[in-house]
Amino acid sequence: KAGVTQTPRYLIKTRGQQVTLSCSPISGHRSVSWYQQTPGQGLQFLFEYFSETQRNKGNFPGRFSGRQFSNSRSEMNVSTLELGDSALYLCASSLRAGDHGYTFGSGTRLTVV
Amino acid sequence: DAKTTQPPSMDCAEGRAANLPCNHSTISGNEYVYWYRQIHSQGPQYIIHGLKNNETNEMASLIITEDRKSSTLILPHATLRDTAVYYCIVRGIYGGATNKLIFGTGTLLAVQP
Repeated sequence: KAGVTQTPRYLIKTRGQQVTLSCSPISGHRSVSWYQQTPGQGLQFLFEYFSETQRNKGNFPGRFSGRQFSNSRSEMNVSTLELGDSALYLCASSLRAGDHGYTFGSGTRLTVV
Repeated sequence: DAKTTQPPSMDCAEGRAANLPCNHSTISGNEYVYWYRQIHSQGPQYIIHGLKNNETNEMASLIITEDRKSSTLILPHATLRDTAVYYCIVRGIYGGATNKLIFGTGTLLAVQP
């Protein structure tokens, strides 16, 4: 079966712009979570969604937001981009919230210039 | 969730067993131990999890000490493709389960030919 699909794979944006990243979970999975990975901070939890509801949010500024659609696909948005937002953004899906093993996508590499 | 401590790096000869240690001395009774790995430029991959008993699957074995304060992930016959950063994570499964994982810095396992 198809894995977690994240689009686009690579993205270059300018400071001050906004960006939207997409995540399509494994078919049947209803829980989606997002992580940011940078060399300095490592992997950090951004937020998670289940049945279109945000269940948990990490310690990130309000410029970072997300949503989940009725088909479980999820998007995350970053407004007013800063250089420090350059990172690999990873999405993970599972059948339910709190499942033991999640499947991660390959990520979107965002570069802010 | 309890904090984990792992060595920053380890080497292993191809074909030999790789034993990756993790200390989680503050683990509480309802917290599981999870292992994920991340091969360069890919998303993390779930390997195995356990609560009290030793666990084995097609990828690895997980040995948890009787006091649950430490664990060891064993890759029985390491190959070059097992070169990756291995993360040990402790997470509780409570009511209102969440998908939030707290990643540490992990152990970079280098499998040598």
